[in-house]
Amino acid sequence: GQQLNQSPQSMFIQEGEDVSMNCTSSSIFNTWLWYKQEPGEGPVLLIALYKAGELTSNGRLTAQFGITRKDSFLNISASIPSDVGIYFCAGQNNQGGKLIFGQGTELSVKP
Amino acid sequence: GAVVSQHPSRVICKSGTSVKIECRSLDFQATTMFWYRQFPKQSLMLMATSNEGSKATYEQGVEKDKFLINHASLTLSTLTVTSAHPEDSSFYICSAVNNEQFFGPGTRLTVL
Repeated sequence: GQQLNQSPQSMFIQEGEDVSMNCTSSSIFNTWLWYKQEPGEGPVLLIALYKAGELTSNGRLTAQFGITRKDSFLNISASIPSDVGIYFCAGQNNQGGKLIFGQGTELSVKP
Repeated sequence: GAVVSQHPSRVICKSGTSVKIECRSLDFQATTMFWYRQFPKQSLMLMATSNEGSKATYEQGVEKDKFLINHASLTLSTLTVTSAHPEDSSFYICSAVNNEQFFGPGTRLTVL
């Protein structure tokens, strides 16, 4: 089946630094999504990408859908303490269909 | 809009008992809902796809007789963990589809 490899597994950064994380897949997806999960809660959608090569921003977050449709990255600029959480990438082939999640990147931000 | 609730938020039960978890879409109707399980420090793993009015579709390795899913209305899906054992202790998360998937807040199940 399809698998996603997400890296890094964890990051410890200083407030104000930029962050980058990425996901790669063994096969193509039609949609890439990025979620944030805080402890004891469900994931919340940050950015959705629908076309290969698409670059989309949401405030300090920027994500790109790789040209090969097998990868995506998420950048967070000028991190702040409330960015702390676990970030997951997810691939999807049909709108509203199954999501395949990456392993997650745990982000810690030191004030 | 697009709010999904789960009940209970946490439950502790004895080994051998059954536990029912509810997933509701509060302000939209959802023909399809999904159930995920998440162990500590791990990702969300899809357990099953819940379709209103029909049988759920289970992922490989998920026992359908152990994890009973009922999607009797367009706003409610239930997951019943039957004869729960300590290894079933996990964070169970549902999502409901309204063009995209909207996730519930999760249910923490602890089986003693």
